[in-house]
Amino acid sequence: EVQLVESGGALVQPGGSLRLSCAASGFPFSSYSMNWVRQAPGKGLEWVSYISSDSSTIFYADSVKGRFTISRDNAKNSLYLQMNSLRDEDTAVFYCVRERYGSSSALDYWGQGTLVTVSS
Amino acid sequence: EIVMTQSPATLSVSPGERATLSCRASQSVSNNLAWYQQKPGQAPRLLIYGASTRATGIPARFSGSGSGTEFTLTISSLQSEDFAVYYCQQYNNWPRTFGQGTKVEIK
Repeated sequence: EVQLVESGGALVQPGGSLRLSCAASGFPFSSYSMNWVRQAPGKGLEWVSYISSDSSTIFYADSVKGRFTISRDNAKNSLYLQMNSLRDEDTAVFYCVRERYGSSSALDYWGQGTLVTVSS
Repeated sequence: EIVMTQSPATLSVSPGERATLSCRASQSVSNNLAWYQQKPGQAPRLLIYGASTRATGIPARFSGSGSGTEFTLTISSLQSEDFAVYYCQQYNNWPRTFGQGTKVEIK
């Protein structure tokens, strides 16, 4: 069974930093591209970042470019999101999401999410 | 950035009735279009990819159609568990973008 379990969400002050983690199991993690998607309270879905299976290709949403860094450790079956210079508008549930096998595809498995709250 | 526009924002449907949800892209995304269902307090679930292919375990009452810029998700006979918010998403271009969602509520 595919499982994605996020952790690291917390209350943080504006300008602060946070590192999210996602533990993957039930599939060959090193073969799959991964994403982070977020959802502000009561709002829709916003794609945040993408990393290819071998970390050679990375993309970010403009809203987080230069502040967030995605990474992965295939030996540990883990995905990460380092978030710096956090703003009020970064408050959201962050989901770790697997991309279907193959190039350029849909998001087929989602974690339950971890809540990041940015507030003073 | 490709803007995805969903309509209507809210759809009121009686159980057993048909629901038709629309999604329009600001430029062609070919058939690189997915639909997701999200229930309150839950993570989204993939329903349709490639504009018309049902994901694993998705009932046949869900169907997708369209290509280019116009897409439709049809739920042929709404069940109680289908009342939720539905999102379309394009994966043809970066950044990936979602529509704002259509809430399907009980009439």
